[in-house]
Amino acid sequence: DVKVTQSSRYLVKRTGEKVFLECVQDMDHENMFWYRQDPGLGLRLIYFSYDVKMKEKGDIPEGYSVSREKKERFSLILESASTNQTSMYLCASSLSRRVGNTIYFGEGSWLTVV
Amino acid sequence: AQTVTQSQPEMSVQEAETVTLSCTYDTSESDYYLFWYKQPPSRQMILVIRQEAYKQQNATENRFSVNFQKAAKSFSLKISDSQLGDAAMYFCAYASFSGNTGKLIFGQGTTLQVKP
Repeated sequence: DVKVTQSSRYLVKRTGEKVFLECVQDMDHENMFWYRQDPGLGLRLIYFSYDVKMKEKGDIPEGYSVSREKKERFSLILESASTNQTSMYLCASSLSRRVGNTIYFGEGSWLTVV
Repeated sequence: AQTVTQSQPEMSVQEAETVTLSCTYDTSESDYYLFWYKQPPSRQMILVIRQEAYKQQNATENRFSVNFQKAAKSFSLKISDSQLGDAAMYFCAYASFSGNTGKLIFGQGTTLQVKP
């Protein structure tokens, strides 16, 4: 089975802190994604990556950056956390860019910014 | 830009009965994929069912089936013989062939409660 692991399930950070959310997948998937989930808004795409060192902006990239130095690892970075970034963050991966591929999700990281 | 709308924030069903979750979408494309994902309380989202738009036959996976109405841009999920384990949030999602990225556009989600 594909496993997408988000290392931190629950985090509490202070406003202005730099925050790293780490995600690792174990199935040699090319595509990786970071989504943000908020009540009433569903999931919104922050960034995605289809190869090492490649990244593309999603729908809500402002205030975030990403890093993909190795194929299996995709990190989301909040350069200066703000309270409006309090949310659930979901990492996901898929085999390739082929449309229709199953996307596999991690369990999510709950981030609270105070 | 494509959008996905789930107009039912919450639904409930009695165990063993049938429930239908609604989803509509907006697109100018003729071919695309549609999905239903399930997010149980443990939070890991899993794929329930997928449908490619050019296929007229509605997809089915065991107790889960869809009613795909392409002209109406509607993609509802029917759960038959509901079980307690079906309680979850369900998301409808759209994947465009444009740009060939494989990314999904999600609806707002519907929370399904299953009553014993």
